Amino acid sequence: NAGVTQTPKFRILKIGQSMTLQCTQDMNHNYMYWYRQDPGMGLKLIYYSVGAGITDKGEVPNGYNVSRSTTEDFPLRLELAAPSQTSVYFCASKGGVWNEQFFGPGTRLTVL
Amino acid sequence: GENVEQHPSTLSVQEGDSAVIKCTYSDSASNYFPWYKQELGKGPQLIIDIRSNVGEKKDQRIAVTLNKTAKHFSLHITETQPEDSAVYFCATSSTGTASKLTFGTGTRLQVTL
Repeated sequence: NAGVTQTPKFRILKIGQSMTLQCTQDMNHNYMYWYRQDPGMGLKLIYYSVGAGITDKGEVPNGYNVSRSTTEDFPLRLELAAPSQTSVYFCASKGGVWNEQFFGPGTRLTVL
Repeated sequence: GENVEQHPSTLSVQEGDSAVIKCTYSDSASNYFPWYKQELGKGPQLIIDIRSNVGEKKDQRIAVTLNKTAKHFSLHITETQPEDSAVYFCATSSTGTASKLTFGTGTRLQVTL
């Protein structure tokens, strides 16, 4: 099992550009999450999904969109990139009876 | 919503000493308390967790204690080693919230030789 994979690892965007951060898990987990991590601020939940076709907002959803067409994939879309979206983005998944969330390696995004 | 405070923000200990990191939370409905370790350039990894029906849990050199009345929980690392150096995050969640985690702000632990 590869676990949770994220692409790309790094990306630099110009203000106003758009991009999609990819997240895939091969553990057949129903729950998936997107977090952002700013320096010294811990992780903040952006969006989450409890299964294919179901998504919901987290604590900081503004400026982002998600979709969940399959169990495996949970892409995060930035439509109009802003400097405030400079951060490290982590995708996570959870399944089964235990609460453990498995995290991907992260995507470091810089918006200039 | 839930608020989780974590202290200290940085901690330096000598190899072999113990390290203690503390977290307090605000939501009395929280019933799951994991601790994550994050090494440089990597995603957080679960190292230990505790549920509200247990007051203490131990796994080799790592232990977590929970005081639900006072709404705080702590991570204890004994006989620290250089490979314990990392950023540690506490988190909480509650049943019925899709297991959404609320994280503390992290503690950077440095174990010196």
